[in-house]
Amino acid sequence: KAGVTQTPRYLIKTRGQQVTLSCSPISGHRSVSWYQQTPGQGLQFLFEYFSETQRNKGNFPGRFSGRQFSNSRSEMNVSTLELGDSALYLCASRAGPNTGELFFGEGSRLTVL
Amino acid sequence: AQSVTQLGSHVSVSEGALVLLRCNYSSSVPPYLFWYVQYPNQGLQLLLKYTSAATLVKGINGFEAEFKKSETSFHLTKPSAHMSDAAEYFCAVSPNTGTASKLTFGTGTRLQVTL
Repeated sequence: KAGVTQTPRYLIKTRGQQVTLSCSPISGHRSVSWYQQTPGQGLQFLFEYFSETQRNKGNFPGRFSGRQFSNSRSEMNVSTLELGDSALYLCASRAGPNTGELFFGEGSRLTVL
Repeated sequence: AQSVTQLGSHVSVSEGALVLLRCNYSSSVPPYLFWYVQYPNQGLQLLLKYTSAATLVKGINGFEAEFKKSETSFHLTKPSAHMSDAAEYFCAVSPNTGTASKLTFGTGTRLQVTL
């Protein structure tokens, strides 16, 4: 069974640009969550989607958005990039919204110059 | 609201020695508790989880953790460290209310294993 797949693994952007990251969950998993990991702030929850609906959102500005498709694949978008957005963005999936265990992908490492 | 505190950002042990990584939690409702491990340039891998069944939880790679409600702790242990255990370890908590959503992570403990 394939794990959580995130693309791209690495990318470099400049300030003011926007970026879209993609996540394919484990087959059969319908819940997808996104986390940002930085050395200073650690792991912070961005948002969670289930059945194409956002169920919960962390404390991030509106420049961070996401969506989920009918096949459970998810994308997150960051607009007007800032230097502080440089981070490892981790996607995680689970079977449903009420099961606590998350399975993580390897992440997309974003560098903003 | 939930939170976790991991005591010690860096822990160094000798190969073959006991590994003890500390985690204390705060939760207004019964919690789910987790330990994840992260190797360099990789995502997080679940080591073990507590979901209100047995208080002593056994995980992968010889790790185990004990839920102690009176101490609000969920420390991770392994009797004998191996070089391959060198990684960063994260404790996490989510509410055990049937509507578990986001995980709240600790700041992580980097484990170094020396010869």
